[in-house]
Amino acid sequence: DIQMTQSPFSLSASIGGRVTITCRASQSIGTSLNWYQQKPGKAPKFLIHGASTFQHGVPSRFSGSGSGTNFTLTIRGLQPEDFAVYFCQQNYTTPWTFGQGTKVEN
Amino acid sequence: HLQESGPGLLRPSDTLSLTCSVSDGSVVGHHWSWIRQTPGKGLEWIGYVFSSGNTDYNPSLKSRVTISVDTSKNQFSLKMTSVTAADTALYFCAGLPSLWSQGTMVTVSS
Repeated sequence: DIQMTQSPFSLSASIGGRVTITCRASQSIGTSLNWYQQKPGKAPKFLIHGASTFQHGVPSRFSGSGSGTNFTLTIRGLQPEDFAVYFCQQNYTTPWTFGQGTKVEN
Repeated sequence: HLQESGPGLLRPSDTLSLTCSVSDGSVVGHHWSWIRQTPGKGLEWIGYVFSSGNTDYNPSLKSRVTISVDTSKNQFSLKMTSVTAADTALYFCAGLPSLWSQGTMVTVSS
């Protein structure tokens, strides 16, 4: 299985600030990388596919980058609604696997 | 829109059975997954079924899992045999990556 490792496990950020979350794959996955946002009691919300392509309706303050084994999710100008847990997921090969999540808190 | 149905409390050795109903769309032409989430292991992909009936499973669960689709009812289902406390989790059905159900909590306890 491809292991997905996120860092940090959690971070504290302020409204208007910048957040960077890293996701590392145990082997190259090209750009077969999705990012999700999950709030308490809710299902994950799909944000980005192909490592950097937005899902319709995702605010432009979110951006994704990377390829191969190293990927980044950046939030510029953090908004109150962005406090959540963020997951990466590889869809390069099955079994599809997820990172353990990064909690963004105030 | 996806909605699961099925029992939330099981005894060890029971068979877990969940069904996911798809509304505002068709199961035809897509693949449909089951995913579970626990505080300890995070999100775990269980497997998927194509509308053709073809399946792929997580090797860690393959021996106990069957995922099937019923195109006439616009539903797909999960069966997991011989459950234990380790199978206690929040179960989602999904059309990855963009469609997710709200999740249903399944607890395995004697």
